Amino acid sequence: GDSVTQMEGPVTLSEEAFLTINCTYTATGYPSLFWYVQYPGEGLQLLLKATKADDKGSNKGFEATYRKETTSFHLEKGSVQVSDSAVYFCALSDQGTSYDKVIFGPGTSLSVIP
Amino acid sequence: GAGVSQSPSNKVTEKGKDVELRCDPISGHTALYWYRQSLGQGLEFLIYFQGNSAPDKSGLPSDRFSAERTGGSVSTLTIQRTQQEDSAVYLCASSLRSGRAYQETQYFGPGTRLLVL
Repeated sequence: GDSVTQMEGPVTLSEEAFLTINCTYTATGYPSLFWYVQYPGEGLQLLLKATKADDKGSNKGFEATYRKETTSFHLEKGSVQVSDSAVYFCALSDQGTSYDKVIFGPGTSLSVIP
Repeated sequence: GAGVSQSPSNKVTEKGKDVELRCDPISGHTALYWYRQSLGQGLEFLIYFQGNSAPDKSGLPSDRFSAERTGGSVSTLTIQRTQQEDSAVYLCASSLRSGRAYQETQYFGPGTRLLVL
């Protein structure tokens, strides 16, 4: 079945460091890919998404490129801030299903220290 | 406008008791989802409602779990005879519509933290 794998956390970075959170997926169809973020004490929010191969999703300085050849959707940010501390979830929605059933990875906790 | 709301925000119960968790989706959203987030794990899909169609219950972990959606709006997730392994955060999400052609964004509520003693 479909699945999402993320790098294990927690990840701790200094402010202004470069961030990469790896994500790879397995899907039978042609999925859309997402990154969700969960800030402390809040619900999940969609951070960015890409719906087809080679698409790049971007938001708030974060970027991720849909790489079909490597089945990956790595999240990157050039310079993290303390306010980026959160849990990040990679997810997919397989267009082979009849609805937008989203399958989430286990999440990666990020802590940014001043 | 108002987002997805869930109640209660926290629930502590004794093993064997029944609990009901409520979700109010965004007005006008026809698709509603329940997920479970266990400590240290990702989100686990539980159940999906779309309009008046029969729900997809394929993610419910046991027959102790059930959910209803009345009038195509508010949803209640019921867990009967709770067990300690049911302790988790239960998240609800809604989207404007659903289907292969749409790929609508899901908007999540803040969740209900359930602790079964």
